[in-house]
Amino acid sequence: DTAVSQTPKYLVTQMGNDKSIKCEQNLGHDTMYWYKQDSKKFLKIMFSYNNKELIINETVPNRFSPKSPDKAHLNLHINSLELGDSAVYFCASSQPDAWGGYTFGSGTRLTVV
Amino acid sequence: AQKVTQAQTEISVVEKEDVTLDCVYETRDTTYYLFWYKQPPSGELVFLIRRNSFDEQNEISGRYSWNFQKSTSSFNFTITASQVVDSAVYFCALRAGSARQLTFGSGTQLTVLP
Repeated sequence: DTAVSQTPKYLVTQMGNDKSIKCEQNLGHDTMYWYKQDSKKFLKIMFSYNNKELIINETVPNRFSPKSPDKAHLNLHINSLELGDSAVYFCASSQPDAWGGYTFGSGTRLTVV
Repeated sequence: AQKVTQAQTEISVVEKEDVTLDCVYETRDTTYYLFWYKQPPSGELVFLIRRNSFDEQNEISGRYSWNFQKSTSSFNFTITASQVVDSAVYFCALRAGSARQLTFGSGTQLTVLP
């Protein structure tokens, strides 16, 4: 019954590789997000989709490409991984109005070696 | 632009002490929402409270209480009689105007010592 699930939970990979993180929500929310938490714990928005449409695209290297096949899924693909990409990536979902709140996944810890 | 400042990077208290975590926000929007999240050592983000800009009532939930003051743009969080299990990073966040995303503060690491 996990509301927002991310896979994998941990990902260790070498520099230069391409990897994907998957996210699924079963809450019926219209909007999904990717946040990045760096080593200093700072959380920053990367992307957001509303009903499969990209609505937020922050200043992120174009090696990062989100994809939303339907409103319940939001995946993050990263090409040519670099050491600086090491972080925890959180998926979240919400309804358009803020009062419904946000639900976060448990995070994916990406380590690039 | 929206901004959230949590000036306290780290706080350490002894169990049973009361502790207040500060949060100051900036926005030009008159409609906004404020949130607090807890991130325990296990890493997940746990929702604690949300408050909209039209509701300045303080709230108490068990040992937790929140003080929202629009005059000082602050939304402070107090834990009464702290416990070791309260040790975590606490984030204040803001959603303002038509923006969909949350803007987070930098977090406060709270350590409660036995």
